[in-house]
Amino acid sequence: AQSVAQPEDQVNVAEGNPLTVKCTYSVSGNPYLFWYVQYPNRGLQFLLKYITGDNLVKGSYGFEAEFNKSQTSFHLKKPSALVSDSALYFCASYTGNQFYFGTGTSLTVIP
Amino acid sequence: NAGVTQTPKFQVLKTGQSMTLQCAQDMNHEYMSWYRQDPGMGLRLIHYSVGAGITDQGEVPNGYNVSRSTTEDFPLRLLSAAPSQTSVYFCASSRTPPWETQYFGPGTRLLVL
Repeated sequence: AQSVAQPEDQVNVAEGNPLTVKCTYSVSGNPYLFWYVQYPNRGLQFLLKYITGDNLVKGSYGFEAEFNKSQTSFHLKKPSALVSDSALYFCASYTGNQFYFGTGTSLTVIP
Repeated sequence: NAGVTQTPKFQVLKTGQSMTLQCAQDMNHEYMSWYRQDPGMGLRLIHYSVGAGITDQGEVPNGYNVSRSTTEDFPLRLLSAAPSQTSVYFCASSRTPPWETQYFGPGTRLLVL
């Protein structure tokens, strides 16, 4: 079965500190992995994706993610958090024309 | 471009009623999909389409029908609404191959009484 897991429902971080939102995957074959962000009462917005190539993927709004095959992880990171980064973050995988989303992590950046 | 549009924004139904959630995109995307979002469950794929005339089931298709007669439109039909279908529904579209960036609509909030 293809799936992604987000082990943390809630992450709190102080403004200016680095942030990490965790994601692990369980897919057969080469994984296609994504991060999306959802602001209140809005649809999801694409942040970044890993298809192949460099393990460190850079995306929108200063976010990046590191693909780690040995740990089957794809954690989202940002060096310095902003209050405006507060939102719901989803990790997702793709296979066979279908996307599988994690349960989401609510990020709160504290001023 | 309007992107992905969804109507209505909010709907209340009684159990057993039917309705159609509308989704349209103006980006000439081949791939379109419907998700439902429930607390603690993330997004789950209901149905998807890789092009006009082609649809397939996702993870949670029961109680829902779709059709894709044009590239632009991908309506989702609830045949006989049930309280378990109370959710927020999102439509998304992307170019092919489908692992391209998905663009999501603003969502439809559905309450079934």
